[in-house]
Formats: sequence, structure tokens, C-alpha cells
Amino acid sequence: KAGVTQTPRYLIKTRGQQVTLSCSPISGHRSVSWYQQTPGQGLQFLFEYFSETQRNKGNFPGRFSGRQFSNSRSEMNVSTLELGDSALYLCASSRATTDTGELFFGEGSRLTVL
Amino acid sequence: AQTVTQSQPEMSVQEAETVTLSCTYDTSENNYYLFWYKQPPSRQMILVIRQEAYKQQNATENRFSVNFQKAAKSFSLKISDSQLGDTAMYFCAFMTHNNAGNMLTFGGGTRLMVKP
Repeated sequence: KAGVTQTPRYLIKTRGQQVTLSCSPISGHRSVSWYQQTPGQGLQFLFEYFSETQRNKGNFPGRFSGRQFSNSRSEMNVSTLELGDSALYLCASSRATTDTGELFFGEGSRLTVL
Repeated sequence: AQTVTQSQPEMSVQEAETVTLSCTYDTSENNYYLFWYKQPPSRQMILVIRQEAYKQQNATENRFSVNFQKAAKSFSLKISDSQLGDTAMYFCAFMTHNNAGNMLTFGGGTRLMVKP
């Protein structure tokens, strides 16, 4: 069974640009959540999508947005990039009902903003 | 809001020895999950062990076990017979057990180095 796939794995952008990251969950998983990982702030929850609807949102500015498609694949977008957006962005998937609570993570997308 | 605290930023242990990683949390919830996730240098986060708050028995997975003290809001991870492959960042995490969704609150992490 394929794991969570994130693309691209690495990317470099400049301030003011926008970026879109993609996440394909494990087959059958309908919940996709996104986390930002930085050395200073650690792991922070961005948002979670389930059945194409945002179910939870973390404390991030509106420049951070996401969506989920009918096949459960998800994208997140960051507009007007700032230097502080440089981070590892992790996607995680899980079944709809958290009977175990376990999330399955992808390898992440490493974003560098210059 | 929930908070998770890991007070040991870095630890090291000799191969084959035992090490304990500490974690405390704060919540007003009664039903929740606690997790330890491992993030090796390759970066993919994997679940090490999981504990449901309503279960009094401490979870065990092979060489990994937890000491869950609900009243003290403490959730430590013990790694027995440490192996070189255990070298990684370890994150303690909390999730409320309800139907509101899947959202993990992470601690700051403990970098564990297993020395040969």
C-alpha cells in the first residue's frame, strides 16, 4: 500500500511569490492535514480537510490556504511568500473516524524562501 | 487549548542501554490520545507508540513502552536495548478524542543520539 506522497520534495522561491504544495493520501484515507515544521516554532498545525471541507484550521494568516479534491488529494497554497515561511511542510492522512488517532505522514516538502 | 512540553531538547544513550524521554501536557479534556512519533534524519514521521487516556494500562510496543500518569499529565517514553537506528527526533503529541477532526498538538521534540 503506497504511503503519503508529497510533491515537490524541495523548492526555492523568492519573497512575494506564491507556492502550491501537493499531497496524495494513503488510499482510502479521507482526512488530510498539513503541518509546518521550523527550527524555531517546531511543528504547528495548519489545517485539516475531510471530504473536500476544511474541518479545522490552525493559527496562521490568510496567506495560507488549502483545498481537497474529490479523490482526497490535497493542495496547500502560500501567497506573498515571506522569509519566515521557509519550512518543512508535512502532510498527514488518516481515516475519517479516528478510532486509533494515528496519522500517517509524508516525507514533506522543503520550502526555502530567499 | 492543549499544550505539550518536552523538557529535554537533546539526549544521548549508549547502544543497548535504556533511555527515557519526558513529556508533560496540559488539557481540560478527559478523552484523548497521546502519541510518540519518531522523525529520523530522512524526515518521515512515523508512529512509535500510542496511548488512549481512558486506558490505565501503559502501552508497550516491543522495545518501546510508556509511563502514562494521567493525574500528573505525564507521558514518558522508555526505549530499552537502544539501537543505532533509534537515532532520531522524538515528538510527543496530543489529540483530542472526539469527532471534531484529527489535529495533533506536538511538543518541541527531543533529539536522541544512540552512540555505538
